Amino acid sequence: AQTVTQSQPEMSVQEAETVTLSCTYDTSENNYYLFWYKQPPSRQMILVIRQEAYKQQNATENRFSVNFQKAAKSFSLKISDSQLGDTAMYFCAFMRTGNQFYFGTGTSLTVIP
Amino acid sequence: GAGVSQTPSNKVTEKGKYVELRCDPISGHTALYWYRQSLGQGPEFLIYFQGTGAADDSGLPNDRFFAVRPEGSVSTLKIQRTERGDSAVYLCASSLSGGIETQYFGPGTRLLVL
Repeated sequence: AQTVTQSQPEMSVQEAETVTLSCTYDTSENNYYLFWYKQPPSRQMILVIRQEAYKQQNATENRFSVNFQKAAKSFSLKISDSQLGDTAMYFCAFMRTGNQFYFGTGTSLTVIP
Repeated sequence: GAGVSQTPSNKVTEKGKYVELRCDPISGHTALYWYRQSLGQGPEFLIYFQGTGAADDSGLPNDRFFAVRPEGSVSTLKIQRTERGDSAVYLCASSLSGGIETQYFGPGTRLLVL
């Protein structure tokens, strides 16, 4: 079975600072994909960034980047230059080739002005 | 074009009643997913459609839950004999062709069973 663990239920960061959200996962698969989704109060899940397990290079999307450690089964999200609009729930998700997503329990991030 | 839409946005029903939740995916997306998100939890996979057929329904919790997508676009999640434990936000997502394609989520339907 696949499991995704987010050990930080809540985090806060000062505006313009950097914050890192943690995620670990457990799988016996070798080929899989990892995602970070953002869920603002509107409830609509928005893809932030994704990483293919076969790629060693860490994915980056503007202010968002990941630290993917395959051997450690770790997939953390770094948000640089935090903005008020980054305030949301962040979910780490795992997908194997069978299409099924497994989500973590989420981290509630608050950006403080 | 428009994103994924879901109706109703909120649904209150009584225990034992039947409910239908509707999802309109992005036009042209062949893959459609249903998830259930309980309070304080991440979304939990229910079912995945590729076109009109359910390619994976392993997440449906029991036989009270059923979903259809008869024409390969709109999907309806049906819950019979609702129970209080069914209260949750039901999320729908679609992607262009499934697999590793990005899933685009709707705003969800918040179901409350009294």
